[in-house]
Amino acid sequence: AQSVTQPDIHITVSEGASLELRCNYSYGATPYLFWYVQSPGQGLQLLLKYFSGDTLVQGIKGFEAEFKRSQSSFNLRKPSVHWSDAAEYFCAVVRDGGFKTIFGAGTRLFVKA
Amino acid sequence: SAVISQKPSRDICQRGTSLTIQCQVDSQVTMMFWYRQQPGQSLTLIATANQGSEATYESGFVIDKFPISRPNLTFSTLTVSNMSPEDSSIYLCSVSGTGGTYEQYFGPGTRLTVT
Repeated sequence: AQSVTQPDIHITVSEGASLELRCNYSYGATPYLFWYVQSPGQGLQLLLKYFSGDTLVQGIKGFEAEFKRSQSSFNLRKPSVHWSDAAEYFCAVVRDGGFKTIFGAGTRLFVKA
Repeated sequence: SAVISQKPSRDICQRGTSLTIQCQVDSQVTMMFWYRQQPGQSLTLIATANQGSEATYESGFVIDKFPISRPNLTFSTLTVSNMSPEDSSIYLCSVSGTGGTYEQYFGPGTRLTVT
């Protein structure tokens, strides 16, 4: 069965430092992978997505993610974190021909001054 | 991208009662999805709602507890029936992107507290 694992429940980084959030997936075919962000008091927003092609994808708010098939990973990165990036981040994979999305448990990001 | 609204945004309800949550989309969509997000947890898919047919429920969710209506291509409702404190969650509706892109667009959510 398809699944998504986010090994880090929470991460704390200093403002201006780099960030990497880990995501591993279990999927038999070429996956459709996503990162979403849920900010306090706001809804879920799509950060970026991967379908095929270039394994490094760019998203909104300066985020990027790299698909590594050999490691079954799709880690999210940002070179310099801003205080406004503090939020919950969800990795997700689509299954059943696109009809269902499976979400990871989420990683809560704390940003310290 | 679709713009989705939900009503109510939050509610506090007594156990044993029911609450109906409305979801409105600004464009016609074939499939709508209902999720539950329990406190501090990730999103769990409750059901998929297609216009003109019965909703498809995920394991652990039943129609008697979470009846869904889908009267047209822009609207759906989810009812949480005979509520208990364990139903306290955020309930979100979503739609998929067009053109086979599969990303989800979410409503702002309904925060339900059952006392």
